[in-house]
Amino acid sequence: AQKVTQAQTEISVVEKEDVTLDCVYETRDTTYYLFWYKQPPSGELVFLIRRNSFDEQNEISGRYSWNFQKSTSSFNFTITASQVVDSAVYFCALKIIQTGANNLFFGTGTRLTVIP
Amino acid sequence: DAGVTQSPTHLIKTRGQQVTLRCSPISGHKSVSWYQQVLGQGPQFIFQYYEKEERGRGNFPDRFSARQFPNYSSELNVNALLLGDSALYLCASSLVRGPTDTQYFGPGTRLTVL
Repeated sequence: AQKVTQAQTEISVVEKEDVTLDCVYETRDTTYYLFWYKQPPSGELVFLIRRNSFDEQNEISGRYSWNFQKSTSSFNFTITASQVVDSAVYFCALKIIQTGANNLFFGTGTRLTVIP
Repeated sequence: DAGVTQSPTHLIKTRGQQVTLRCSPISGHKSVSWYQQVLGQGPQFIFQYYEKEERGRGNFPDRFSARQFPNYSSELNVNALLLGDSALYLCASSLVRGPTDTQYFGPGTRLTVL
């Protein structure tokens, strides 16, 4: 069975602080993809990043960076120099390859509030 | 280019009624998936359609059904509504059906069942 755990329900930081959102996943499959999505108050899920299970290189995109560690089944997301516009709910998701299905297994999300 | 569009934005129904939600995928995308997001939870997979055929189904009762049209738009139908069906229903489209595809989500339809 697949499972994604985001233990941090809510996080508040002051603007310009760095913040890391944790994601731990469980799967018996060896081939899978991991995703992060952002959900602002409008409700639409905004795609941020996709990572496959064979690529453990960390990735940086502007103020965003992702740390994928297969040994600990974690795919953490760091926002550097946070801004008020970063306030949203962030979801980590897992997709299994072998079944051929296209569905995502989501965590319960982390609500980030950036205080000006 | 337009993203995934969904209609209506909000909907209020009473228990026992039926509801139809609509989704138009990104132009060129042939796969549509539906998710239910209950308040405070992550989205849960309901259906995936590709080339007008159901390609995947989550753990939802038969009251939930869907279809995809030749233009790749899709409808989600829910019969005999229960209070627990109150949720944000999200539609996602992807280029094809492959598991390596990325899904892009619409703004959702917020359904309230009274």
